[in-house]
Amino acid sequence: KNEVEQSPQNLTAQEGEFITINCSYSVGISALHWLQQHPGGGIVSLFMLSSGKKKHGRLIATINIQEKHSSLHITASHPRDSAVYICAVRGRTSGTYKYIFGTGTRLKVLA
Amino acid sequence: GAVVSQHPSWVICKSGTSVKIECRSLDFQATTMFWYRQFPKQSLMLMATSNEGSKATYEQGVEKDKFLINHASLTLSTLTVTSAHPEDSSFYICSGHRVGYNSPLHFGNGTRLTVT
Repeated sequence: KNEVEQSPQNLTAQEGEFITINCSYSVGISALHWLQQHPGGGIVSLFMLSSGKKKHGRLIATINIQEKHSSLHITASHPRDSAVYICAVRGRTSGTYKYIFGTGTRLKVLA
Repeated sequence: GAVVSQHPSWVICKSGTSVKIECRSLDFQATTMFWYRQFPKQSLMLMATSNEGSKATYEQGVEKDKFLINHASLTLSTLTVTSAHPEDSSFYICSGHRVGYNSPLHFGNGTRLTVT
C-alpha cells in the first residue's frame, strides 16, 4: 500500500462543475503540498498546508491531521484546470525530511 | 514567486555518452535540491536529495555512480547521467527548497531525456 493515496485517479468534468480530489496518507507529516502538473511537464505548487484550510482564487485545500486526509476543491471548473494534480507529503525520517508523492489525479475539464 | 530554471528542457543523446542537467534557483537560495524521475503517466520518484556543499543522499535503488549530483552553490545543482543507456530515457525534474523549515517547493520545468 502506498504511503500517499489519491482518489480518483482520473476525473472528467464538465465546465462549471465543482471538483474534489482526495489525498490520504499513512505517515507522520510536517506539511502537505498540492501540486499541479500541466501536459508539458512543468509543476506548480498550489498549496502548502500543515493545518486547516487555504483558499486561492477558485481553489480550496483542506487538511485533517487527525484523519490524515486532505482535499483539493476546484469551484467553477474550467478547461484550463485540466492537468494532473499531485499530493505530496513532507514526512520525517530519522530527523531529516523527505517528500512522498501520490500517484496523481488526472483531471480533464470539458467545455 | 520563486523561480527554478532547469536546462536543457529536452535532450537526445547516444548510448554511452553523458548528459548534464542543470537546475538553478534564480531568486532564492536553495539549500536543498531534490531530483526526481518521472515515467509516463506515473508520479514523481525521488532520486536524491542534495544539500549545498555536501554529498547527495540517494534513494534506495538509485545508482550514485550513474547519476552524479553536484550542489556546489546555493543556486546551482547539476545531475549528470553517465554512460547513458536507453532505459535512462525519462523525464527528470528538480525542485529547490528555501532555507526554513516549512517553505514551499519550487520546481524546474523538467528535462526530457531520450537515449538512442
